[in-house]
Amino acid sequence: EVQLVESGGGLVQPGGSLRLSCAASGFTFSTYTMNWVRQAPGKGLEWVSFISSSSNTIYYADSVKGRFTISRDNAKNSLYLQMNSLRDEDTAIYYCARDQAPGWHDYWGQGTLVTVSS
Amino acid sequence: QSVLTQPPSASGTPGQRVIIPCSGSTSNIGSNYVYWYQQFPGMAPRLLIYRNNQRPSGVPDRFSGSKSGTSASLAISGLRSEDEADYYCAAWDDSLSGVVFGGGTKLTVL
Repeated sequence: EVQLVESGGGLVQPGGSLRLSCAASGFTFSTYTMNWVRQAPGKGLEWVSFISSSSNTIYYADSVKGRFTISRDNAKNSLYLQMNSLRDEDTAIYYCARDQAPGWHDYWGQGTLVTVSS
Repeated sequence: QSVLTQPPSASGTPGQRVIIPCSGSTSNIGSNYVYWYQQFPGMAPRLLIYRNNQRPSGVPDRFSGSKSGTSASLAISGLRSEDEADYYCAAWDDSLSGVVFGGGTKLTVL
């Protein structure tokens, strides 16, 4: 059974940093591209970042470019999102999602809540 | 403002057929596949339609997707109370080099 479990969310002050993790199981993690997608309270889905299976290709949404860094450790079946210079508008539930193809998120984690507030 | 445009709400009565439209441009829907996601309150999104009109296993055939030019739509026939949820369209955008989502449509079953 495919499972994606996010962790690392919490309360952080504006300008602070946080590192999210996503532990994958039930599939060959190293062969799939992965994404982070977020959802602000009461709002819609917003794609954040994409990483290819070998980390050769990485994309970011303009809203996080230069502040967030996506990475993965295929040996540990884990996906990460390093978030720096956090802003109030980064407050959201952050989901990791497995890709079959760009945009085709076939499995999602349960999400981890990040709250940026002073 | 979302790159893909969806109506914020839609509604129907049990047994009815409802269509949720999604409008984009040549750089996203016009040149890439469209995906649809269903989300219940407090839950993670769930893939509903992939590659414009394909259903993952477990998705009832009451749900169907279509695409024409730079627009797509999700149709739900035989509407049921358990279909009440938020629905999102998505596609890869070649100009932005990223995934773009619609703003979401809240479906109410009257």
